[in-house]
Parts: sequence; C-alpha cells; structure tokens
Amino acid sequence: GAVVSQHPSWVICKSGTSVKIECRSLDFQATTMFWYRQFPKQSLMLMATSNEGSKATYEQGVEKDKFLINHASLTLSTLTVTSAHPEDSSFYICSARAAGSGNTGELFFGEGSRLTVL
Amino acid sequence: DAKTTQPNSMESNEEEPVHLPCNHSTISGTDYIHWYRQLPSQGPEYVIHGLTSNVNNRMASLAIAEDRKSSTLILHRATLRDAAVYYCILKGGADGLTFGKGTHLIIQP
Repeated sequence: GAVVSQHPSWVICKSGTSVKIECRSLDFQATTMFWYRQFPKQSLMLMATSNEGSKATYEQGVEKDKFLINHASLTLSTLTVTSAHPEDSSFYICSARAAGSGNTGELFFGEGSRLTVL
Repeated sequence: DAKTTQPNSMESNEEEPVHLPCNHSTISGTDYIHWYRQLPSQGPEYVIHGLTSNVNNRMASLAIAEDRKSSTLILHRATLRDAAVYYCILKGGADGLTFGKGTHLIIQP
C-alpha cells in the first residue's frame, strides 16, 4: 500500500522555539494532505487541509499564524509549530489523498510525530 | 458530516471472529462508510470502505445494512495485533476525515 512518512517521529523543544514536521508521500503523489492533532486519550482532531500549491484551509479554532503549513510539492507538506508552548505538546499526524483517487477514497496516514514542549 | 455511534469498547478472544457495530442513521446517499484503526502511538491505518454492497479485503469484511443506517466491521479471526481503536467514519466529499471516539478493541489471548 501507499506509504506516508513523517519526520521527526518525536521531538522535544524548549518553550518559545519553532518546530517543523515533515510529511512525505513516498510512492504516490498527494494532491491533498491533512494535518491532525491528537491529545492523550482523545481522538484525532483535524487541524487543516492543504492542497499542493495553494494556501491551507484551517479548521475553526486553529491559529493559522501559529501552525504554518506549506505544501510546495505533490510529495511534501510541512507543519511548523511557531513559538511552541507546553500546551502545544501533542501527537501530530498527517494524512494524504493520492492524486486521482477521488474524494471518497481511502486516506493514507503517517506514523505521527510526538511533540513535547518543555 | 453525519455522525456515527460506536460502542466505547469491546473484548474478544484471540482466533475468534469479531463484529464491530456502527450506527449511522443520518447517513446521506453519497456518504461512503470508512473504517480505520489506530494502534497505540501510531497513525491510523485504513481498513476498508464501502457504499452500499458488502465489501471484503485481506484485512476484514464490511457488512452494510440494506437501509445503510448501520454497518458492521468483521475481523474473521482476531489476533493480538488487531487490538486497536477502530473508527467508523462517513465520508461524502473532499474534506478530511472526522474522527469520533471509536471502539477500543481488546483481544484476550
């Protein structure tokens, strides 16, 4: 099956610093990528949708200036958590839809990136 | 998105079949029924999806009620590696998936 890879798998940073998480589709082109956040013992929450070459669409309550998303190519999207604070500590997961798969087809998920802000 | 209702948790024995129910009484005609599962500390994994007819793949089977207001994910022979949170999600368009709380499946050896 299609593979989506995230890097880093885990990261620890100091409060006030910025952290970039990469999401790559390894064997397919992804026209659309989605970013999720998951707090302990909770379900995934959609943060934003990014389409290659255009600005991301953020869900209500997600600060676009804090969570910068770039989807510059069909195989790479990045999420930058700017000026991170301890409350941003979470499990960040990306997913991708393959080009040509249709709107209702399966999505492929990365393995997640665990961010801990001290 | 239309809402789904799943039991919070279910328990089964290893090597036995597991039937995971999902109610979606407000499903629209264009909504596909998707199932994903999430193992601890991992991203979700696609399991199966369907529209009206029952579906089979190497991982599971999906039985969809005739009125489409409910569906059942069937794991034919559960193994310990099937222990996960299983999410039943309706998808009707280009938007991302909306995850509910899912069913926490516990497999007893």
